[in-house]
Amino acid sequence: EAQVTQNPRYLITVTGKKLTVTCSQNMNHEYMSWYRQDPGLGLRQIYYSMNVEVTDKGDVPEGYKVSRKEKRNFPLILESPSPNQTSLYFCASSSLSSNQPQHFGDGTRLSIL
Amino acid sequence: DQQVKQNSPSLSVQEGRISILNCDYTNSMFDYFLWYKKYPAEGPTFLISISSIKDKNEDGRFTVFLNKSAKHLSLHIVPSQPGDSAVYFCAASVLNTNAGKSTFGDGTTLTVKP
Repeated sequence: EAQVTQNPRYLITVTGKKLTVTCSQNMNHEYMSWYRQDPGLGLRQIYYSMNVEVTDKGDVPEGYKVSRKEKRNFPLILESPSPNQTSLYFCASSSLSSNQPQHFGDGTRLSIL
Repeated sequence: DQQVKQNSPSLSVQEGRISILNCDYTNSMFDYFLWYKKYPAEGPTFLISISSIKDKNEDGRFTVFLNKSAKHLSLHIVPSQPGDSAVYFCAASVLNTNAGKSTFGDGTTLTVKP
């Protein structure tokens, strides 16, 4: 089954404690992306990657890091989380062929106390 | 500046009637538009799309209309069913540049009442 898998689904942690949210896709997609969803602000892109070792900033990259060492994985790293990073996070992937929609994971709800 | 706007946060319709969800955009470079549907505790899933070379695209009960001069698109669901109750996101992108990168609206929560 084609899917994007995020882990963990839920996490409550404290300010400053480094955390990583993993994302893996099994569709051999070149493009992967991270979004955060906040009330009234829709889905905002954090970082994206066009292929292995190619990453770039989205609209709200501050406080986040990513890596793309393998095609299937695109972890989101919060080196020093702060309460304003409390949000619902989605990973997505797509083919770079024209007009291909994104496939989303089921989301990770992060609470930073 | 928000480039894709869904001005109605919520919409409630009766089962069997038409649901119309609206989306406006400001960037004239956008030439490909998508609608995604999101149920609680799940990620968004692709619903339907339209290229700027068309003004209408239909898929079963779902039709998307594009008015380029007004920079406006709408999603029509006919007839609406209770299972259509979800959050609908409009997204826009520029083809042949950063393929896959879309700008999303805030979403409209549709409730279809039995």
